[in-house]
Amino acid sequence: GAVVSQHPSWVICKSGTSVKIECRSLDFQATTMFWYRQFPKKSLMLMATSNEGSKATYEQGVEKDKFLINHASLTLSTLTVTSAHPEDSSFYICSARPWRLAGLGGKETQYFGPGTRLLVL
Amino acid sequence: DAKTTQPPSMDCAEGRAANLPCNHSTISGNEYVYWYRQIHSQGPQYIIHGLKNNETNEMASLIITEDRKSSTLILPHATLRDTAVYYCIVRGVLYGGATNKLIFGTGTLLAVQP
Repeated sequence: GAVVSQHPSWVICKSGTSVKIECRSLDFQATTMFWYRQFPKKSLMLMATSNEGSKATYEQGVEKDKFLINHASLTLSTLTVTSAHPEDSSFYICSARPWRLAGLGGKETQYFGPGTRLLVL
Repeated sequence: DAKTTQPPSMDCAEGRAANLPCNHSTISGNEYVYWYRQIHSQGPQYIIHGLKNNETNEMASLIITEDRKSSTLILPHATLRDTAVYYCIVRGVLYGGATNKLIFGTGTLLAVQP
């Protein structure tokens, strides 16, 4: 149980185009999902918290107009990198918190997707 | 959330126990210790978490010192597939539907040697 998928697993695009990445919780519902970015040989950096039915909360320094997040259902969140540039090339990873664990304090955990590798030429 | 300190890298022989230390001297009373690992080019994988008691599951054991200022993740019989970066994260928990973020540090690269 607790499987999270991402699509696509990798994408190559031209500079200036927009790229959409999907994050799905396959066997559980998630009111909250998170988006991370990871550069080579670096740790994961949290970009934003995605809440179902409401606006995402972005971390300091992350442009909300460039990284559009939509959490339209309890099993799907999307990240759209708008007008992508080579410096946006990175490994994008999402995680999801099972709804059934919400509010249970120490029982809570998050499950991660396999990541999406983006290369902008 | 409290900051954690981990050695940047460790080696372990295949079949032996791998003991990964983590210091979290500024941990507060309501903060849990979480362990995740990330195999190269994959998303992080949840391993285990605990508050103050030692915990064990099918993957690993978590030993937390009595003063909670440090902990050790134990992989009892390391295999080559356990080679990964292991992250120790301290996180406070919220109730009533709110959630706290996981903030990743630099972790420990565990290399299991044949």
